[in-house]
Parts: sequence; C-alpha cells; structure tokens
Amino acid sequence: QSVLTQPPSVSGAPGQRVTISCTGSSSNIGAGYDVHWYQQLPGTAPKLLIYDNSNRPSGVPDRFSGSKSGTSASLAITGLQAEDEADYYCQSYDTSLSAVVFGGGTKLTVL
Amino acid sequence: EVQLVESGGGLVQPGGSLRLSCAASGFTFSTYAMSWVRQAPGKGLEWVSGISGSGGSTYYADSVKGRFTISRDNSKNTLYLQMNSLRVEDTAIYYCAKAPGSVRPRNCDYWGQGTLVTVSS
Repeated sequence: QSVLTQPPSVSGAPGQRVTISCTGSSSNIGAGYDVHWYQQLPGTAPKLLIYDNSNRPSGVPDRFSGSKSGTSASLAITGLQAEDEADYYCQSYDTSLSAVVFGGGTKLTVL
Repeated sequence: EVQLVESGGGLVQPGGSLRLSCAASGFTFSTYAMSWVRQAPGKGLEWVSGISGSGGSTYYADSVKGRFTISRDNSKNTLYLQMNSLRVEDTAIYYCAKAPGSVRPRNCDYWGQGTLVTVSS
C-alpha cells in the first residue's frame, strides 16, 4: 500500500482533458512538502514531468500542469494525445518515514 | 547532457550479494545528492536509498535498512549500491537518479535506464 494514493487508471479521448489525483496526509503533502510528477512511457525509465507542485522542466509541453492544495495534489493533461499514454507517478517526502514516497501510479489510456 | 548509466545487475540466489554501480556524466557529480529507486516487475516505483553530494549523509527505506549500503566515489563520478542478504522481494529494476539539490534527495530530476536484479533460487 502506497503512502500517496492515486487512482489505478484514467482514460480520455484525444483532445480531451484528464486529471490524476494524488492524496497524501499531514506527514507528507499536508506538511508542506512539494509534490513532483513523473511520466513513465512503456518500457522506459521514469521522466520528471512536474517539479515543486507546478513547475515544468524545459521541454515538457504546457499541456501538462500541476497543482497542490492541503493534503492533495493533481496533475492535469489537456489536449490529450496518443503519445501521452503512459504511467504517471506522484512523489513527495514523508517526515514520519524520513523517506521519499511515491504514489502507486496511474495508467493513462488514450481511447 | 546528463547521463546516468547503471550496471551490475543480474541473477543472484536468496541470501546472496550484489553491487550496483551508476556512472554519471554531464554535471558536477559531487554537487548533487543521488538516489536509488526500484521497480518490481509490473509494480510501481519505490525509493530505496539516497546520499548527499559529499557522501557524508545516507538515507534508507525501512525495507532495505541494515541490508543495503549506498556510497559514492566523487573522484570517479560513480554511485554504488551494495546489496546483501538479498530476498526474492528485492527483485526489481534498479534506477539511479540525480536530485536537484545537494543535501537530502527529495526528488529526482534525471534517471538512468535501470539495471535488472533478479533474486531467485
């Protein structure tokens, strides 16, 4: 069981908007620790998608955005494209565990 | 360009040992904290261990504490993970990842391609 909770799967048609939630607790997201998001395309290593809650690394399209509120965070993808089909992971830091923690991952299917 | 290249994975029997290496290039290695993150077959990501840029501070997940040791050689731009008393549940792809900061790794901005560790009799 992951410290951060994500839906196992989401789906959307090309061009649509989808959101992926990430729920934590008072010892991680709620304690003020930043949330980061990673995209893992099939058969490849994870790639940083969003850092520090809402910032995009160079090269990441602005179709991807992140937000954080209270003990939760979310990743939004607009203008869905076939190449967005991947697994998405949220990640933060947990002060009780003194450890980096990940969500269980969400598989995005583009219909 | 940041490059992280892991090596050292393979098949090992339960109770055995293995040492993973991660060769880094494209950045000032000693300036940045580093982590090992693993992914069991068909499962999600699990942070395993981290180390500060100087190597003076190390951090471990409870699942590997006392069995795994992270270290780095800044003169060789190389990160290591010594894995002892391996268990079947340690079977995973092990990724080396760079942190954006120097002290305690709180996230990963670059990842290697991973090396597969299989623990089986």
